[in-house]
Amino acid sequence: SQQGEEDPQALSIQEGENATMNCSYKTSINNLQWYRQNSGRGLVHLILIRSNEREKHSGRLRVTLDTSKKSSSLLITASRAADTASYFCATDVGIQGAQKLVFGQGTRLTINP
Amino acid sequence: EPEVTQTPSHQVTQMGQEVILRCVPISNHLYFYWYRQILGQKVEFLVSFYNNEISEKSEIFDDQFSVERPDGSNFTLKIRSTKLEDSAMYFCASRRSTGTVVNGYTFGSGTRLTVV
Repeated sequence: SQQGEEDPQALSIQEGENATMNCSYKTSINNLQWYRQNSGRGLVHLILIRSNEREKHSGRLRVTLDTSKKSSSLLITASRAADTASYFCATDVGIQGAQKLVFGQGTRLTINP
Repeated sequence: EPEVTQTPSHQVTQMGQEVILRCVPISNHLYFYWYRQILGQKVEFLVSFYNNEISEKSEIFDDQFSVERPDGSNFTLKIRSTKLEDSAMYFCASRRSTGTVVNGYTFGSGTRLTVV
């Protein structure tokens, strides 16, 4: 499997429900980040969690990180139609000065009104 | 909020032609990147640039590709002789991390390159 695999690949839920996306990775990381991409558009940084953190919140977003399992999850609570997008986890890897992001395949989230 | 600016937003070029994709990173950022995303696929790392030199490049970044920071503000990606398979969205990103402060990467809106 590749660094930054996500599941599910696609998720469709009703507005108001919570959406959970998972990400697994293989190598050691500096931090893990989640990005959002609207169809055909740019990447928007949502949240960053450091390797020594276990949970982080930002508005309706909650991210967890389990370094022992090399996995992370992104929870979007009280989803809205405007949350429809693709969500990517990305691991920040490498030594200082030579760091880069490695992206997963992404989860395509559809919120039905 | 500061932005990473990419131009053009869309470029169509003939196979075999040279293209230059332009990026203006955030002014106080130190690390610069190019990524690409083939339609429907994941975002792939191409190259990272720091202190006026390439830090790392991927297998994709072969001799056809080059990067340059010609002045204090622009960061360019050149593809010397484009192939059909170079058709993709190209994203520039920049980041400011010093010491223990870790920041997310800021991505531009991308340049959609279509090779015909």
